[in-house]
Amino acid sequence: AQRVTQPEKLLSVFKGAPVELKCNYSYSGSPELFWYVQYSRQRLQLLLRHISRESIKGFTADLNKGETSFHLKKPFAQEEDSAMYYCALTSQTSGSRLTFGEGTQLTVNP
Amino acid sequence: EPEVTQTPSHQVTQMGQEVILRCVPISNHLYFYWYRQILGQKVEFLVSFYNNEISEKSEIFDDQFSVERPDGSNFTLKIRSTKLEDSAMYFCASTFSGGPYNEQFFGPGTRLTVL
Repeated sequence: AQRVTQPEKLLSVFKGAPVELKCNYSYSGSPELFWYVQYSRQRLQLLLRHISRESIKGFTADLNKGETSFHLKKPFAQEEDSAMYYCALTSQTSGSRLTFGEGTQLTVNP
Repeated sequence: EPEVTQTPSHQVTQMGQEVILRCVPISNHLYFYWYRQILGQKVEFLVSFYNNEISEKSEIFDDQFSVERPDGSNFTLKIRSTKLEDSAMYFCASTFSGGPYNEQFFGPGTRLTVL
């Protein structure tokens, strides 16, 4: 079975501070990992995906298979980063269903 | 930019009643999904749909649930006899191709309240 855990429900930082949102997963095969974001009163949208190895809005995430983690990082948080962040997993064998973590509400204070 | 749309935004119903939640996926997308999120809980997969049939369903998606693409543009989720525990936010999503790498585009959700 596949499982995603985000240990922090709430995370609060000041503008300009580094931010790290934690995500751990359990899956015995080769997972594909995503970060989705939901800004206030907006829909869930993809932020970044592991396979693209991209940086979006200054965010990056590295898949660490040894630690089974996919933490989301940004060196200098901005107020507009305040949102709900969901880590999600899918895999070749699970079809295309997304398994989500609980979500972390990030608040960036001025 | 094309978006997934869902109607209604909020549905209130009595326990035991049937509800139909509607979604219009992005027009050239071929794979469709329903997820739900009970308040304070995770977003959970319900079902995926491709080529007019269910590709995969979760253990949540029991006999009281059904999906349909009645007219080539709408994608519906029907709950036959609602229970209190069906109260949740229901999200529709679509993607052009299946497989694990693809971005799923989500609708804004329908909040279902069962009284």
